[in-house]
Amino acid sequence: DIVMTQSPDSLAVSLGERATINCRSSQTVLYSSNNKNCLAWYQQKPGQPPKLLIYWASTRESGVPDRFSGSGSGTDFTLTISSLQAEDVAVYYCQQYYSTPYTFGQGTKLEIK
Amino acid sequence: QVQLQQSGPGLVKPSQTLSLTCAISGDSVSSNSATWHWIRQSPSRGLEWLGRTYYRSKWYNDYAVSVTGRITINPDTSKNQFSLQLNSVTPEDTAVYYCARYRYFDYWGQGTLVTVSS
Repeated sequence: DIVMTQSPDSLAVSLGERATINCRSSQTVLYSSNNKNCLAWYQQKPGQPPKLLIYWASTRESGVPDRFSGSGSGTDFTLTISSLQAEDVAVYYCQQYYSTPYTFGQGTKLEIK
Repeated sequence: QVQLQQSGPGLVKPSQTLSLTCAISGDSVSSNSATWHWIRQSPSRGLEWLGRTYYRSKWYNDYAVSVTGRITINPDTSKNQFSLQLNSVTPEDTAVYYCARYRYFDYWGQGTLVTVSS
């Protein structure tokens, strides 16, 4: 199984500041047939299912604000929130879909400083 | 707009079978491009992918090793839905269960808290 490890486990950022969450996979998730990374990012608020933010490591899902961006390739990935808003308080997860079993990171809790 | 609506009991006794259904609107369980998944979430195990079903000229299933032998995911084309059955449950199977679409999960069901307790 591909192990996904996120850092940090929790993060406190001031409103309007940048938030950065990292995700590392235990093996590459770069799919050679299309040269795309099989990596997604989700946001989860209490009592709700996770919400897809980013897929193919850097493609923003429709309707997701452009302050959310994804980057990275191979085994190292980053989710960046360029200017933190109050509504961004949540737990964020990365997920690989390169191979089954699909696996998730342990989550990063984002709070307001 | 795709919607996934889950149904099923929230309380299951140990050693019995957990059964949940996910009704699909806005897409087809028989789609040749979609895949249909069950995922669970608990404080101890985090988000855990359980398995999937999908149609590519015939039906396929994949299951997580952790539940292989206890899990069945079945499509129901007549009702455009798919189901999860997990046999011989223990308290460790207590979790919120979700259905979801595709390999990056773009649509999710609302979640069902299933408690395994006598």
